[in-house]
Amino acid sequence: DQQVKQNSPSLSVQEGRISILNCDYTNSMFDYFLWYKKYPAEGPTFLISISSIKDKNEDGRFTVFLNKSAKHLSLHIVPSQPGDSAVYFCAASVGYTGNQFYFGTGTSLTVIP
Amino acid sequence: NAGVMQNPRHLVRRRGQEARLRCSPMKGHSHVYWYRQLPEEGLKFMVYLQKENIIDESGMPKERFSAEFPKEGPSILRIQQVVRGDSAAYFCASSPTGGFLAFFGQGTRLTVV
Repeated sequence: DQQVKQNSPSLSVQEGRISILNCDYTNSMFDYFLWYKKYPAEGPTFLISISSIKDKNEDGRFTVFLNKSAKHLSLHIVPSQPGDSAVYFCAASVGYTGNQFYFGTGTSLTVIP
Repeated sequence: NAGVMQNPRHLVRRRGQEARLRCSPMKGHSHVYWYRQLPEEGLKFMVYLQKENIIDESGMPKERFSAEFPKEGPSILRIQQVVRGDSAAYFCASSPTGGFLAFFGQGTRLTVV
């Protein structure tokens, strides 16, 4: 029962362009959403979050959009840089504690110089 | 990321042996979570511990798996009589308050041969 889905296993983008990573979820009770970035042989690193009371959250080059009616969120990276090449996971939870997070399967982003 | 220490980084076990995975949380963090990433899947919650207590083990297989977080020393995830299906990356995360997962370790990659 994959409650959080990332349907694109990989994405390639030219440096300087926008990267858009998508995530869909099935549980309408989810009220907190996060994006993590993971380099090979490292653990996930928290990137940005959004709660269900918002539809957008911005942090520098990273913006997360939440569409609750469509049960969809996306991460926009503008402009994309080669150092952004990594696997990106979205995660969702009911509540705020670490034992309630459901992760997607990840999207591998390659930013081409 | 460097604050949560997991060892070993790689562990090879033959079927039927025991695997012990260690996690030292960040200084001052008393909440530890274990997640597992099977090939081609997202991270899945296994167990949530506070010092000397298991708070939630709903994600842990009922047999062969156990976890502890003693008053002194690291948290240990123990897998007895390993099988090929246990091959995965095991990640530990720590938190000061039991909130969202900001800090993951680098993971232990278990290979069962």
